[in-house]
Order: sequence, then structure tokens, then C-alpha cells
Amino acid sequence: DGGITQSPKYLFRKEGQNVTLSCEQNLNHDAMYWYRQDPGQGLRLIYYSQIVNDFQKGDIAEGYSVSREKKESFPLTVTSAQKNPTAFYLCASSIDAALGGYTFGSGTRLTVV
Amino acid sequence: RKEVEQDPGPFNVPEGATVAFNCTYSNSASQSFFWYRQDCRKEPKLLMSVYSSGNEDGRFTAQLNRASQYISLLIRDSQPSDSATYLCVVNPNSGYALNFGKGTSLLVTP
Repeated sequence: DGGITQSPKYLFRKEGQNVTLSCEQNLNHDAMYWYRQDPGQGLRLIYYSQIVNDFQKGDIAEGYSVSREKKESFPLTVTSAQKNPTAFYLCASSIDAALGGYTFGSGTRLTVV
Repeated sequence: RKEVEQDPGPFNVPEGATVAFNCTYSNSASQSFFWYRQDCRKEPKLLMSVYSSGNEDGRFTAQLNRASQYISLLIRDSQPSDSATYLCVVNPNSGYALNFGKGTSLLVTP
């Protein structure tokens, strides 16, 4: 079955540590996205990529980095520069967001310990 | 990026009730519109797209008013399984990313 897989489901980070969240899709979608969700805040865009080897900053890119070396993969690194990383991170993909919306992964819950 | 605004609720309704959610968006150039459903601690899932002529899917009806920049979702004969947060979603420009409202919480009690 086609889908989008995020791992790990839960992740704990120590202060000052970089961590990488995985996002893989086998839907043959060109576009991929990372959002962050905090309680009562809704989804906020971190980064997005419309094609391999290209990506753009979203509204809250500071403290995060991404790569898009393969169509199927769009990993997100939460760096030590992100001062408040505890949140629910959602990866999504689409053929064309204007036409059909997104398919989301099941998310990664990141907690700073 | 422009905002999408929704009443956060919560809407607490009895089973069988009709409930309506409203949403406004500020970018008049917005291209496409959606309603997503999000269950507690889960990922959002596409409920339905919203078309200018209005569209219906079973008990759910979506309406778009471009002149007023207003989107609505009507749920008829609501069921306890409809309890969730409903997200209003707008594509502000072609080729960009979707812009999500903060969601409206619905609780349907048996």
C-alpha cells in the first residue's frame, strides 16, 4: 500500500542535541512538507520541497534544516538552535496541493528532556 | 502568509444535531479550499475539498463564498464518531504550501 511513513513515533532530545526526524513516501509525490503542531496553535509550516534537490523555508524555519536528495525522502533535523522544540511534527506529501490536498504521516512527538 | 481564522469551540452537541462551522480567510487570491479532520493525537486527514458551487458528501456539506472570503462546513445528524477537531485549510497561492486554521473542536454526546 502506498503511504507516507514517519519515524520514530516518539523522540526524546537532550538540551543542545541535534536530532533527525525521518519522512519517507512511496506515493510518487513531488512535493513534501514539514509542519509543527503545538497545543492550540494549529499547524505551522517549517520547510517544504516541490522537487528533488530544492526546498524553501516556511514560516518557522529557524533552528531547523532539511534535505531532499531523493524524491521519496525528506528528513528534518531539529538543531540545538531551536530553543523550544517540544511539539508534534507532521510530514506531508502531495502531487499538487492546489488540487488534492495532502497525505500526512502519523507524526513524531518530540520532547526535550 | 495570511491567516485562516476559525472559532475554536468547543462545540458540544447531542447525537442527531446539525452543527455548522465557519472559517474566514484573508487572502483574496487563494486558490483552493479544504476541510480536514484531526482526531486527538493523530494526523489530520482530508475530509473534503470545497468548491465554489458547494458540495456534499453524505452528511457533510461544504460551502465557499469567495466574495466574503468565507468557508463553511455543515454536519447533519451528527454522530459520536464525528467528535474531532475540524481544520479549515486554504491554498493561498498555486505552488505554495497549505495554510491551516487552528481548528474547531466538536464533541457529540450520545
